[in-house]
Amino acid sequence: DTEVTQTPKHLVMGMTNKKSLKCEQHMGHRAMYWYKQKAKKPPELMFVYSYEKLSINESVPSRFSPECPNSSLLNLHLHALQPEDSALYLCASSQGHDGYNEQFFGPGTRLTVL
Amino acid sequence: AQKVTQAQTEISVVEKEDVTLDCVYETRDTTYYLFWYKQPPSGELVFLIRRNSFDEQNEISGRYSWNFQKSTSSFNFTITASQVVDSAVYFCALSEGGYQKVTFGTGTKLQVIP
Repeated sequence: DTEVTQTPKHLVMGMTNKKSLKCEQHMGHRAMYWYKQKAKKPPELMFVYSYEKLSINESVPSRFSPECPNSSLLNLHLHALQPEDSALYLCASSQGHDGYNEQFFGPGTRLTVL
Repeated sequence: AQKVTQAQTEISVVEKEDVTLDCVYETRDTTYYLFWYKQPPSGELVFLIRRNSFDEQNEISGRYSWNFQKSTSSFNFTITASQVVDSAVYFCALSEGGYQKVTFGTGTKLQVIP
């Protein structure tokens, strides 16, 4: 299984809602990532988990809360988002936690904040 | 600090033409890794190739070839006999040594016209 899955594919939420994005991989990868991608822009790193521990937080606002319940799962909890947070949210995983490893990406969750 | 520049924002070619996507990078590390990813309209980034800083050998994979030149800090990507399925946004990316963070270029949107 060489796939990263993400649910839901699309999400529309109001600014007062609480929702979660889910990401799963079964490749035995030990690093997992959340990216945010606005239209016509490159992916922008948000968080990195390495061996289920948060290793990088790119100064992301606290309304985004990551969670890594186990080595296969990565969640992104959303609360009190702003319209400018509307974007494609991509999850990725890699075998190791250094720069050598290519990342495998999921199809993304397209988030719209009203 | 690391930086990746993809000066070509959009390129249009007619099917069967050859096309080269340019990538110029900056880094102070002596150990680094360069990547190319493809992002079709579906949204999922797909890994194409990795090159490490100690290996300047060019690579060919089917219609794809990559030219890595440390002297000019470039890692260019050529598609030979382009096809409509090659239409996508292509990102060049760089990571350093033991560090997980990948820096993406701004991407080049390739449109192959039938």
